Amino acid sequence: NAGVTQTPKFQVLKTGQSMTLQCAQDMNHEYMSWYRQDPGMGLRLIHYSVGAGITDQGEVPNGYNVSRSTTEDFPLRLLSAAPSQTSVYFCASSYGGTDDNEQFFGPGTRLTVL
Amino acid sequence: AQSVTQPDIHITVSEGASLELRCNYSYGATPYLFWYVQSPGQGLQLLLKYFSGDTLVQGIKGFEAEFKRSQSSFNLRKPSVHWSDAAEYFCAVAPRGRRALTFGSGTRLQVQP
Repeated sequence: NAGVTQTPKFQVLKTGQSMTLQCAQDMNHEYMSWYRQDPGMGLRLIHYSVGAGITDQGEVPNGYNVSRSTTEDFPLRLLSAAPSQTSVYFCASSYGGTDDNEQFFGPGTRLTVL
Repeated sequence: AQSVTQPDIHITVSEGASLELRCNYSYGATPYLFWYVQSPGQGLQLLLKYFSGDTLVQGIKGFEAEFKRSQSSFNLRKPSVHWSDAAEYFCAVAPRGRRALTFGSGTRLQVQP
């Protein structure tokens, strides 16, 4: 199993550009989520999905869109990038059982918005 | 709203010394509790988790954590630190039955030879 994969590893954008961060998992996990990590703030939840076709907002959703058309993929879209979105982005996934909340994290995407 | 506090931003210990990283949470009910480790430039790896039962939890790499309900704490410990333990450590909580994690701000561990 490859686990949780993220592409790209690094990205530099100019203000106003759009892009999609890719996330895929091959563990048949129902739950997937996106976090951003900023210095001194830990990780904060952006969006999450409990299954294909179902998404919901987390703590910091503004400026980001998500969709979940398949179990495997959960892309994160920035429609108009802003410098405040400079961050490291992590995707995570977990099983659907309510008593097993272990989440598996991808290696991250480091995004810089100029 | 739930919150997680890791009061120590940066800790330095000597190799072979014992380690305790503090974590306090604020929550209406006992949540699921986790410790993750992040090596430089890497993703997060789960060290251990507490759902219920024995309040002393054993994890990977020789780490353990103790849940103390009366103190709303879940401190991470290791009896003898190795140089390879240098990393950033995150405490996280999640409501029972849900998966959305709330993270502390992290503690960066340096290990002196």
